[in-house]
Amino acid sequence: DAKTTQPTSMDCAEGRAANLPCNHSTISGNEYVYWYRQIHSQGPQYIIHGLKNNETNEMASLIITEDRKSSTLILPHATLRDTAVYYCTEYNFNKFYFGSGTKLNVKP
Amino acid sequence: EAGVVQSPRYKIIEKKQPVAFWCNPISGHNTLYWYRQNLGQGPELLIRYENEEAVDDSQLPKDRFSAERLKGVDSTLKIQPAELGDSAVYLCASSNHATNEKLFFGSGTQLSVL
Repeated sequence: DAKTTQPTSMDCAEGRAANLPCNHSTISGNEYVYWYRQIHSQGPQYIIHGLKNNETNEMASLIITEDRKSSTLILPHATLRDTAVYYCTEYNFNKFYFGSGTKLNVKP
Repeated sequence: EAGVVQSPRYKIIEKKQPVAFWCNPISGHNTLYWYRQNLGQGPELLIRYENEEAVDDSQLPKDRFSAERLKGVDSTLKIQPAELGDSAVYLCASSNHATNEKLFFGSGTQLSVL
């Protein structure tokens, strides 16, 4: 069973920041939060992951709340190519638990 | 560096027929996963290999599904006989400890059972 909950879909204007929320209220202390995205007809692609601290890489930023029960993936300047399904997953005991994800629609 | 390679890309079969999917992981990745993805859903784990050993097959429907990774490199997933409900995308992924366990996925095999 999926352990994360995300909105089904979100819209974002091209060039604006996209903020994708995720609730993982049952996360335990040693479980990482990973984000993947899936563009149509491709396999999921890794974006970023974190445990407690906020993280940033060339693709995105990850903000994790202090209680670790939720996180937000931030795409600072969304482009049309960022249109995809974004999955927030928990990793524990060598397993990734994928929910149904958020369909992000980036519009011109 | 080549990514995870899967074949075939698409497969259409009639129910009760057998079908097989092949996966070649990224070189050096000792962990290999098979996932099934139904339309509109996230991937669901079927089986995980550490080298040639299946260490988690709890979600694999063993009455009709089987998998192997004989030399700890490439892997085959088989369904026999296929049912209508098996129509889905079958994804292979690989990882290793050096990549912080992040998964690298192939493009998947889209199976349609008629």
